[in-house]
Amino acid sequence: DAGITQSPRHKVTETGTPVTLRCHQTENHRYMYWYRQDPGHGLRLIHYSYGVKDTDKGEVSDGYSVSRSKTEDFLLTLESATSSQTSVYFCAISASLGDSNQPQHFGDGTRLSIL
Amino acid sequence: KNEVEQSPQNLTAQEGEFITINCSYSVGISALHWLQQHPGGGIVSLFMLSSGKKKHGRLIATINIQEKHSSLHITASHPRDSAVYICAVRKRGGADGLTFGKGTHLIIQP
Repeated sequence: DAGITQSPRHKVTETGTPVTLRCHQTENHRYMYWYRQDPGHGLRLIHYSYGVKDTDKGEVSDGYSVSRSKTEDFLLTLESATSSQTSVYFCAISASLGDSNQPQHFGDGTRLSIL
Repeated sequence: KNEVEQSPQNLTAQEGEFITINCSYSVGISALHWLQQHPGGGIVSLFMLSSGKKKHGRLIATINIQEKHSSLHITASHPRDSAVYICAVRKRGGADGLTFGKGTHLIIQP
């Protein structure tokens, strides 16, 4: 299994509080992704990173920011959490981009509840 | 309209049956992925393909680029195959990351 660790695995917090989710990989892969999974929508891309300090927005990036200061860590921050951000969050990693497609390997997910 | 559509949404079958899950997409792609998600929530990559056919054990994935369609087949299905199967595409020329179908919930009864 790909070495991907998400933390925390579960979190309950209140509306308006800041939340940071961490994705840590031991595979030295260049590309990292944050997705959210919601009933009726499936998985959707929030942000992704193609290298240290190189990030870009995905389909549902509003209300989220990311940072990647080291190859192994990709952080997802909700600056002021809202109930609509209650979801299961998955991190994924991939070895390549462009025409050289490679599988994405997923973490175990973080279940986040905003009350 | 969703760019990736799967059918059926739900499928219940008896152990031993041949299973087919379909995926249609409406965008240009560089690759199509099939993923499996078990009730515990973890997501596993089954196949990535850009043409033709791939086989792994009892699982077979095919893609027809001209028709923008892919199928996932399971032969001799078993209760342990019960899971959500997700089709996803890597769009050509767009932002990185995958675009997902909503998944097919498969239950194999003993």
